[in-house]
Amino acid sequence: DAGVIQSPRHEVTEMGQEVTLRCKPISGHDYLFWYRQTMMQGLELLVYFNNKAVMDDSGMPKDRFSAKMPNASFSTLKIQPSEPRDSAVYFCASSLGRTDTQYFGPGTRLTVL
Amino acid sequence: SQQGEEDPQALSIQEGENATMNCSYKTSINNLQWYRQNSGRGLVHLILIRSNEREKHSGRLRVTLDTSKKSSSLLITASRAADTASYFCATDERKADKLIFGTGTRLQVFP
Repeated sequence: DAGVIQSPRHEVTEMGQEVTLRCKPISGHDYLFWYRQTMMQGLELLVYFNNKAVMDDSGMPKDRFSAKMPNASFSTLKIQPSEPRDSAVYFCASSLGRTDTQYFGPGTRLTVL
Repeated sequence: SQQGEEDPQALSIQEGENATMNCSYKTSINNLQWYRQNSGRGLVHLILIRSNEREKHSGRLRVTLDTSKKSSSLLITASRAADTASYFCATDERKADKLIFGTGTRLQVFP
C-alpha cells in the first residue's frame, strides 16, 4: 500500500482565497483524521471521520473550515476564506480503529500571505 | 484539551548515549503509543503499550508504563544521529473517544 496520500504538499495563497487540501487514506481504514501542526499550538485534531461520517469536529473553526469525506478513499479539508493564522502544516491520518495506530500522510504545508 | 505532556521539551545528546523521554497524562487509559516525527515529515508509530503492561521492547526502544503515576517513559539506547526527531506520546484515555497527543520532545543526537 502507498500509505496515506496528501495533496498538495505545499500551498501558498493570499488571504481571503479558498484552499482545498486533499487526502487519500489507506485502503480498508475506517477512520480518517485531520490535524494541524504549528510551533505555538503543537498538533491539534481538527476533525475525524468514521466510515465517512463526522464523529468529532470540535477542534475545527466552523466559520471558515469544512471537511468532507464523500467516499471511503477521499477526504477534503476546505478553508474559505483563508487567513494568515491558518498557516501551518496539515496532516491527514488514517487507522483501522478509533484509537488504533494512526498512519500519517506527509502533510501539506500551507502558507497564507 | 487534555494533552499529555512530554518532558523534557528538548534533549541534546551525543551518539552512543541513551535518551530518555517521559510522558505524563491525566486520566485512566486503555493504551499509550509513542510516535516519531522527523523534520518535515508525518508522524510514524513506534510502539504501543497497553494499560496492563509495564514494559515493552522494540529493537533499541524500551517503553515503560506506570499507571499509578500516570506516566510513561521512552528509552532509546545507543542513540544514532538518525534518531534526531521529535517524539510524541499519545494516550487512549477511557473517557475520551480519540487519541490524545502530547506536546512532544525534540531530540538532537550529535555525531
